[in-house]
Amino acid sequence: AQSVTQLDSHVSVSEGTPVLLRCNYSSSYSPSLFWYVQHPNKGLQLLLKYTSAATLVKGINGFEAEFKKSETSFHLTKPSAHMSDAAEYFCVVIHFSGGYNKLIFGAGTRLAVHP
Amino acid sequence: EPEVTQTPSHQVTQMGQEVILRCVPISNHLYFYWYRQILGQKVEFLVSFYNNEISEKSEIFDDQFSVERPDGSNFTLKIRSTKLEDSAMYFCASSGHRGGETQYFGPGTRLLVL
Repeated sequence: AQSVTQLDSHVSVSEGTPVLLRCNYSSSYSPSLFWYVQHPNKGLQLLLKYTSAATLVKGINGFEAEFKKSETSFHLTKPSAHMSDAAEYFCVVIHFSGGYNKLIFGAGTRLAVHP
Repeated sequence: EPEVTQTPSHQVTQMGQEVILRCVPISNHLYFYWYRQILGQKVEFLVSFYNNEISEKSEIFDDQFSVERPDGSNFTLKIRSTKLEDSAMYFCASSGHRGGETQYFGPGTRLLVL
């Protein structure tokens, strides 16, 4: 069965410092992985996705994630945090079933950015 | 840029009442989904829909729930007799292709059952 584990429920950083949000996955086949972001009172916005092409994936707003099969990880990073990055971030894996797919979400990591 | 829209943004209802949550998926998408997020919990899959029928549903999606595509643009989730535990944020999503294609989410409907 597919699953993802987000290792931190809350992360707090200062503006201008690096961001690291950790995600480990479990999959019985080569996974398709995503990071979504949810700003307060907003929907879920796709940040980036990995679908077995390049292991380093670049997304919107300066975020990127690296797929590491040996570590079963897909951590999200950004070199320099901005106040507008404060939001909840979800690591997501696709579960394929009978030719259809559904998304399996992690529990989320709430990112706080301080001045 | 095309986006998924949902109405209403918030709904308050009494236990036992019927509610209909509405979604307008991206126009050329063929696969539609509902997810929900109970406060403080994970986002959970409810149901997927393709070619005017349910393709998969979760254990949560019992007989109290139904989905429909009443016309060429809307996709609805109906809860026949709401329970307190149905209080959650409900997200609609759509994708162009089932096999790994990105699902695009709407802003959600926050449902509160009193």
